[in-house]
Amino acid sequence: GAVVSQHPSWVICKSGTSVKIECRSLDFQATTMFWYRQFPKQSLMLMATSNEGSKATYEQGVEKDKFLINHASLTLSTLTVTSAHPEDSSFYICSEAGLSYNEQFFGPGTRLTVL
Amino acid sequence: GQQLNQSPQSMFIQEGEDVSMNCTSSSIFNTWLWYKQEPGEGPVLLIALYKAGELTSNGRLTAQFGITRKDSFLNISASIPSDVGIYFCAGPGPTGGGADGLTFGKGTHLIIQP
Repeated sequence: GAVVSQHPSWVICKSGTSVKIECRSLDFQATTMFWYRQFPKQSLMLMATSNEGSKATYEQGVEKDKFLINHASLTLSTLTVTSAHPEDSSFYICSEAGLSYNEQFFGPGTRLTVL
Repeated sequence: GQQLNQSPQSMFIQEGEDVSMNCTSSSIFNTWLWYKQEPGEGPVLLIALYKAGELTSNGRLTAQFGITRKDSFLNISASIPSDVGIYFCAGPGPTGGGADGLTFGKGTHLIIQP
C-alpha cells in the first residue's frame, strides 16, 4: 500500500494561534488526499478532500476558513488550523487514495492539543 | 450522509479464541474496507472487498462482502496479543457533504486477556 507521513506527530499550542500540519505521500504522486479528525474514543470523521492544484472540498459543518487546506504539489498537502481553540484539540489524520480510488492509506496522525 | 453500524462495540476475549465483528448500512456500498487502528497511530488497511458475496482472507483474517451489499463481517481466527486494537469498517462516499472520502463505523475495540 501507499506510504504517507505526517509532521508533526504532536503539537501543543496556545489558544488563538495557528498550527500547520503537513501530509506527504512518500511513494507516489497523489492528486487527491483526504483529511480526517478523530476525537478521543470516537471514529474518524472526514473533514475535506484536498485536490492538487484546486480548492479543497469540505464536508458539511467544517469551516473552510478555519481549516485551510493547501495541496500545492503532488506529494504534499497541508492543513492549517487557524485561531485554534481548545475544542479543536483532536487527532488529525490524512490519507491518500491507492491505485483503487476506493482504498485509502493513512498517515500516522497528528495529535493537536490547544491550551 | 451514510451511516455504518458496527458491532460489537467492544470484545473481551481469551488468547486463542476466534473473533467475529460486523458492519451494516442502510444504503448500498460498492466497496467495504476493514482497518485496524492502534493507540496513537493512523488506521492500517487490512482487507478490501469489491464484489457482493466476495470472501477474502489475509492471514488469520477473513472478511466477506454481504450479498445485499449492505453488510460485511470480519473474522479473526486464533487471536494473539498483537491483535489488540480498534477495528473499523469503512466505505467510500458520498458522505453527504461532497468531499467523497470514507465513512467509518464506530469501531470494535478488541481486548485480549492472556
